[in-house]
Amino acid sequence: DAGVIQSPRHEVTEMGQEVTLRCKPISGHDYLFWYRQTMMRGLELLIYFNNNVPIDDSGMPEDRFSAKMPNASFSTLKIQPSEPRDSAVYFCASSPSGRRTGELFFGEGSRLTVL
Amino acid sequence: KQEVTQIPAALSVPEGENLVLNCSFTDSAIYNLQWFRQDPGKGLTSLLLIQSSQREQTSGRLNASLDKSSGRSTLYIAASQPGDSATYLCAAASRYNNNDMRFGAGTRLTVKP
Repeated sequence: DAGVIQSPRHEVTEMGQEVTLRCKPISGHDYLFWYRQTMMRGLELLIYFNNNVPIDDSGMPEDRFSAKMPNASFSTLKIQPSEPRDSAVYFCASSPSGRRTGELFFGEGSRLTVL
Repeated sequence: KQEVTQIPAALSVPEGENLVLNCSFTDSAIYNLQWFRQDPGKGLTSLLLIQSSQREQTSGRLNASLDKSSGRSTLYIAASQPGDSATYLCAAASRYNNNDMRFGAGTRLTVKP
């Protein structure tokens, strides 16, 4: 398996623009997580899905952030409108259920810069 | 709310040295504790996962221990190599929601040749 795949790897945009980050989890994993990493706050969980259903979005900072998982192999995190303080690395991770529940597999991240 | 702390923030050692990285957590009601490695500009790679019922896990030169009563975990790296240079993060998952995982800020390790 290719692992968790994220795109784009880098995104530079201007304040006010819409940003869409994409994630393909590992096939067969039931859980998908979106994290944000900054120097100031470290890694923060934004939202996670179980079997394509959003379970906990309490980490989503504002209504400007939204996430979807239309099927088991694809998820998006959207920021509209973007602001400079959204600049961070956004990671997608997936996890299997069963015996290996809780073991997280991360993508390489999408580095977002909002000017 | 679970707080995870890693001290020191940075560590530099000569090649070949054995070393210990520390992780402490405030709430002992954990489901598991996981150690990750992060290389610059990359994602996190899971190194070791210790379930709450376990005391330690080993993989090659790595050994992770867990002491829930004291709220501590350690990652022991034997015979360190320059290729071990990276940031090491620990994360504690809540017993009440094992998908609620709190990360430490990490220890940046440099192994000098």
